Formats: sequence, C-alpha cells, structure tokens
Amino acid sequence: QKEVEQNSGPLSVPEGAIASLNCTYSDRGSQSFFWYRQYSGKSPELIMSIYSNGDKEDGRFTAQLNKASQYVSLLIRDSQPSDSATYLCAVTNQAGTALIFGKGTTLSVSS
Amino acid sequence: DTAVSQTPKYLVTQMGNDKSIKCEQNLGHDTMYWYKQDSKKFLKIMFSYNNKELIINETVPNRFSPKSPDKAHLNLHINSLELGDSAVYFCASSQDWGSYEQYFGPGTRLTVT
Repeated sequence: QKEVEQNSGPLSVPEGAIASLNCTYSDRGSQSFFWYRQYSGKSPELIMSIYSNGDKEDGRFTAQLNKASQYVSLLIRDSQPSDSATYLCAVTNQAGTALIFGKGTTLSVSS
Repeated sequence: DTAVSQTPKYLVTQMGNDKSIKCEQNLGHDTMYWYKQDSKKFLKIMFSYNNKELIINETVPNRFSPKSPDKAHLNLHINSLELGDSAVYFCASSQDWGSYEQYFGPGTRLTVT
C-alpha cells in the first residue's frame, strides 16, 4: 500500500510567524502533488498544486517539491489565525489512477 | 452557485437499512469521485467515474454501489448499513481524468446506530 506520511501535530505557531508543514510519500512514481486545507467540519479545499522539483509560490503560500527525497512541503508566511486548520498532503500514484491523501497536519495559529 | 453539491448533509439511520447519497457538479467536469473520511480524519478514495464509466473501485464492500446517470451526477447507494460505515462521505470532481485538481462537495455525515 502506497503511503503519504504527515506529522499529525498540532503545529502551533504565533501570528505572523512562518508555518512549515512537511509530507513524505512512498511511491517514487508519483507525478502530481497537492496541498488541501480543511477547516473543522468542512470539506477539503485545494490551495496548492506542484508538479516539478523546486518551489512554487502563491501569495503567502509556498510549496516545495523534492522528488529525489520524496518530500513535499508547504510554507505559510505571515501566519494568521484564519490559517488554523488541518492541511492535507495528496499525491498521485504511479499509475495516475488515484489521489492518495496523508492523514493531515493540524495547524494552530495563536493571536 | 454551488460547484459540487451533496444531499443530504446529515444522515442518521439504523443498522441494516439501505440509503443513498446524491452528488451533482455544475463545473462541466468529466470525472467524479467518492471519498470516505473516517473518525480519524483519514480521507480515502472509494470510487472514481470518468464520463459515466467506473475507473476506480478501491476495495470497497459490494454493499456500496455508485451510479452515474450522467457526467454531472454521481450517486452512492449503500445496502445493509453497518456501524463501521459511519463517516463523512465526500463527493469531488475534476476537469478530466489525470487532472487531479479535485474540488470537493460539502460532505454527508452518515451516522449508523
């Protein structure tokens, strides 16, 4: 069974700090990588996608991918209390037939 | 306008009953999915349909049967409900097969007593 691993947290950061969320995956053939944000009682919301090695920035969010290390990360700059949520890492399997989710990291931003 | 909608939002039923959850997307997407999120918040794919055809069936019991009358709808029927079926069920859609930018519906919280 291919896996996606995340530290469940909670990760606690003060308002204005940088939050760093990490994810490792076991399927070396994975080609597409995603970060979803899920507020308590709500559905997952896509916030970032990344397909090639390196960094991808979108506003306060930066996704980083290192396929050699099978590692994906999400940086949130200037963290806000509204960023408090569970962040789900998701990767495609080698066949491209399924999206495999990690169990999520809970982020808490204190004001 | 809601992009991906599900009904009902909450469903409480007894063991042994049969129930259905409906999903509709108005995004014009070709691919739709059903996921199950358990009490530990683990989100797992159950089924995937592309243009009304079943693509993925991830070791889900035969009691679960998806039906896609057209590419905008993917319904989930569950027979003989069991306690372990209690979870939140999410419908999602994506532009096409291989495009994994998936958009989720609001979820249906199923409680089996």
